[in-house]
Formats: sequence, C-alpha cells, structure tokens
Amino acid sequence: KNQVEQSPQSLIILEGKNCTLQCNYTVSPFSNLRWYKQDTGRGPVSLTIMTFSENTKSNGRYTATLDADTKQSSLHITASQLSDSASYICVVSDAQSSYKLIFGSGTRLLVRP
Amino acid sequence: GAVVSQHPSWVICKSGTSKGIECRSLDFQATTMFWYRQFPKQSLMLMATSNEGSKATYEQGVEKDKFLINHASLTLSTLTVTSAHPEDSSFYICSASSGGPANTEAFFGQGTRLTVV
Repeated sequence: KNQVEQSPQSLIILEGKNCTLQCNYTVSPFSNLRWYKQDTGRGPVSLTIMTFSENTKSNGRYTATLDADTKQSSLHITASQLSDSASYICVVSDAQSSYKLIFGSGTRLLVRP
Repeated sequence: GAVVSQHPSWVICKSGTSKGIECRSLDFQATTMFWYRQFPKQSLMLMATSNEGSKATYEQGVEKDKFLINHASLTLSTLTVTSAHPEDSSFYICSASSGGPANTEAFFGQGTRLTVV
C-alpha cells in the first residue's frame, strides 16, 4: 500500500525553466510533511518541513505547498539550475506510528543546459 | 543544519564476511538513530530504529541477527552486516534525531555503498 505517491516519476527540463513536483498522501493523521533533495549516491538533504497547519514554505528557489484537506503537496522549483538535477523525495511523518517517516518513491529531475 | 557523518562512504567485502558502518552525529546528541536501505531507483526503506542504550527495533522482514545495530552513545550508532551475501549489496543510510517534539528534524548521513562480491 503506497501511502505517499509522487508524480511524475521523472522529469527533464531546460536550465532556467520552472517546474512543479507533486505529492499525494493517505497518511492520516500526520505530523508533518517534508521535501528532501537526494543527489545520486548521497544522503537526502532537507529542503522544507511543514506542519498540517502550514500552507506554504520557501527555501530559496524551492517553494513547497500543502493542502491538508486534499492531502496534496507540491514542490515548485524556480529558475532551475544544472545542480538541481537530483531526486526529490516527499516524506510524511505518521502521527499514529511513533512519527515514523513514510517515504515517497521520489521524482528524478534532470536539468539540461 | 546539524551534521551526521557516515563511515565508510563505500566498501567492498567478500561473501561470508561481516562489515560495520558507523553513523555519528557531530554536533548534537542523537537520542534516536534510524537505519535505511535503498536499492537503485527506489526510495529509502526503514530497517530499524535505535535508541541510545536500548535494543534496536527492527522493521518487519529485517533479520536482526543479520543486521546488528549498536547505539552505545548519544553520538554513535553502528550497523554491522554479518555473513554478507551479494543480495545485501545496497546503499545504506542513517539518520539521527535529537528527539523531543514530533516536528524535530531528522538529519541524514551521506550514505554507505556496500558491495558484496
């Protein structure tokens, strides 16, 4: 049972363009929703973390949104750079399971020059 | 953010041998550490949760006698893959949390690539 689903699975964009990644989840109740960036062969690095009461949070060129009613989140990347090429993982903290982190399968983003 | 360091970054070992991976929280005390395994193009799968000074809690399907976890101090946890088999080849990642409120950030190590030949 996939509790956190991400789309698209992969995405290719040109440098300088914007893109939006989607995350749908069924984890309920949840404590918080996080977006991580994972470079190939490296550990995940936190981009944003939002509680259920927050609608949006920004970190530089990354802006995450959260709609707790529809159980959807998005990560918007503005003015993409080559270094943005990575996997982006949506993670939900399960409030009923000792706040265990439930990972999405990620979106693999490739930014081309 | 806080720093979590894993060592080694990559390791190759022969089938049947055991190999340890260290996870250290460098600038905070980690009451809880998590160990994950990640196969190519897949997401992280939680293997076990360890709290300092107590036995680790393993996820269903993870053999505790094969993946030994020691969390002897607030800054160090060790995962030992025993009697390694080629199927154990994977990317192993730890994360550390200082505990407290549920919104506490979890910081990830850089991962260890284990190859069993």
